[in-house]
Amino acid sequence: DSGVTQTPKHLITATGQRVTLRCSPRSGDLSVYWYQQSLDQGLQFLIQYYNGEERAKGNILERFSAQQFPDLHSELNLSSLELGDSALYFCASSVDPLPSDEQYFGPGTRLTVT
Amino acid sequence: ILNVEQSPQSLHVQEGDSTNFTCSFPSSNFYALHWYRWETAKSPEALFVMTLNGDEKKKGRISATLNTKEGYSYLYIKGSQPEDSATYLCAFSSGSARQLTFGSGTQLTVLP
Repeated sequence: DSGVTQTPKHLITATGQRVTLRCSPRSGDLSVYWYQQSLDQGLQFLIQYYNGEERAKGNILERFSAQQFPDLHSELNLSSLELGDSALYFCASSVDPLPSDEQYFGPGTRLTVT
Repeated sequence: ILNVEQSPQSLHVQEGDSTNFTCSFPSSNFYALHWYRWETAKSPEALFVMTLNGDEKKKGRISATLNTKEGYSYLYIKGSQPEDSATYLCAFSSGSARQLTFGSGTQLTVLP
């Protein structure tokens, strides 16, 4: 158990809908990362927050947005969902925001868009 | 686009065998190289983070080396056990990027 929690574990929804994925980092970690794992692709970095501020952005679609709250939990909002958004979404956390910092991954949320 | 390549894609070894995999990454503007172990139905677990050329790290029977000048890292497993069966991912960060780019992984199966 990494100490990172994600809810829900599974989510099934229809195209066009909007969902929110939630992540709580390990105690003491200030940085949160979101990743997407699709069937045909490796882990893709989406976005990083550090202490409430956006720090880095990867291949995140405009239909997706995220935020980190004062209590350091983070939410990833996915809207106008398409079939291709079906994937495993991981949250990870680290103490510092540097790429050399070890990241601890949560159990993931499996999103299925039908 | 940063290209991180891992080989082989998959590997089957017998219990007790030693094995190694390769991660190749761009050699310019290196910042950090991570290795993760990802068991089926679980989440990736950090093994090592390496930042200096020539770094060698060890955790039990698993070790890793880093060559930033030629752009590769090796992960070694000595005396493989069935519980070592997992996908081993490497992830690279350049000095100009604030994010990790992951390879597609090496899937190791250790047969009893």
